[in-house]
Amino acid sequence: SQKIEQNSEALNIQEGKTATLTCNYTNYSPAYLQWYRQDPGRGPVFLLLIRENEKEKRKERLKVTFDTTLKQSLFHITASQPADSATYLCAPGRGNKLTFGTGTQLKVEL
Amino acid sequence: KAGVTQTPRYLIKTRGQQVTLSCSPISGHRSVSWYQQTPGQGLQFLFEYFSETQRNKGNFPGRFSGRQFSNSRSEMNVSTLELGDSALYLCASSPQGQTANTGELFFGEGSRLTVL
Repeated sequence: SQKIEQNSEALNIQEGKTATLTCNYTNYSPAYLQWYRQDPGRGPVFLLLIRENEKEKRKERLKVTFDTTLKQSLFHITASQPADSATYLCAPGRGNKLTFGTGTQLKVEL
Repeated sequence: KAGVTQTPRYLIKTRGQQVTLSCSPISGHRSVSWYQQTPGQGLQFLFEYFSETQRNKGNFPGRFSGRQFSNSRSEMNVSTLELGDSALYLCASSPQGQTANTGELFFGEGSRLTVL
């Protein structure tokens, strides 16, 4: 069955540094992959989408890579800020069906 | 443009009861999906409705059901509640049709269900 793996341990980094979050998947060939941000008690909010024929996508301080050979996506936040502290979910998809990872909690400290 | 609205936001039920949750999608969105979120399992897909028809279904027992109305509003129902049904139930809408959906999902704030 499909398996989506994200770091279960929280990632703590210092303000101004680059945060890198990992999403690995197995038994799956997604056509695209989405990243969402979720704050406590709130619904997830869409951040970025990258398709299988794209290696990299950028949006402001965010960068996503998608390696279909390694079956992995990396999510980077450059010049991180305390306001970036949240849980980040990856969601590979094919057609209209998304499968979500359990998320990685990011804490950006002053 | 109003976002996805879910009601109620919080509710407490006891084992054996049933519950109905409501979701109003963003105006113009025809697809509504439901997810269950728990600390251990993350976001688990329940079902998706498009134009009043269930298009996809996750691996949940028949106690979980849903429907969509002609105005795209959706409800989900859980019968014979169990302690393990305690979770955040999230509704997400999308404008995409059936041919291709690589677009983002717009989530509501969720309905927090506690089963005692």
